[in-house]
Amino acid sequence: NAGVTQTPKFRILKIGQSMTLQCTQDMNHNYMYWYRQDPGMGLKLIYYSVGAGITDKGEVPNGYNVSRSTTEDFPLRLELAAPSQTSVYFCASYSGGSNYGYTFGSGTRLTVV
Amino acid sequence: EDKVVQSPLSLVVHEGDTVTLNCSYEVTNFRSLLWYKQEKKAPTFLFMLTSSGIEKKSGRLSSILDKKELSSILNITATQTGDSAIYLCAVVNYGQNFVFGPGTRLSVLP
Repeated sequence: NAGVTQTPKFRILKIGQSMTLQCTQDMNHNYMYWYRQDPGMGLKLIYYSVGAGITDKGEVPNGYNVSRSTTEDFPLRLELAAPSQTSVYFCASYSGGSNYGYTFGSGTRLTVV
Repeated sequence: EDKVVQSPLSLVVHEGDTVTLNCSYEVTNFRSLLWYKQEKKAPTFLFMLTSSGIEKKSGRLSSILDKKELSSILNITATQTGDSAIYLCAVVNYGQNFVFGPGTRLSVLP
């Protein structure tokens, strides 16, 4: 009964490096989302997916890529890290019919130096 | 553009006080409104509201939606220091997209 699992929890990247933030859910949810939260700001949607094989851009997609080859996994890729990508990243999933809204992962704190 | 506004952005009260947090929205194809509490990690779900005028209650917390006014309030009675957190309001449309407000930072002093 893991819910939404995000890894890693913390990461420091150098400018120009690449990395993948992993997100896995075991609830068979169709909808998955990646958000970033900057200090003092609300969550901003980066990318989302309504099902395996389908992804779409959110509010702030530049500098990121995603894939959804299975229902369970929704990794977020940063190709050329920039200091502006320093943030806390949350992955979330949603069944689409549940009465309980989102289920969030515990977050990844990323610092780009 | 879809938008969610919360007020106040920051609030400091003393234990035992009652607080009311506000959320207003402009969203096309509104489906539901959700309240979350965020402490150190990921937000935890509090309420989902879809119908106007029906209060949802959980312990000292309650919330109600007013679709005519495009708004919702979250009430916390007899506040405790453990209520200190950021309270997020989010609106979902029929495309299953969530729009979050900036949050209200509540600090409850002993």
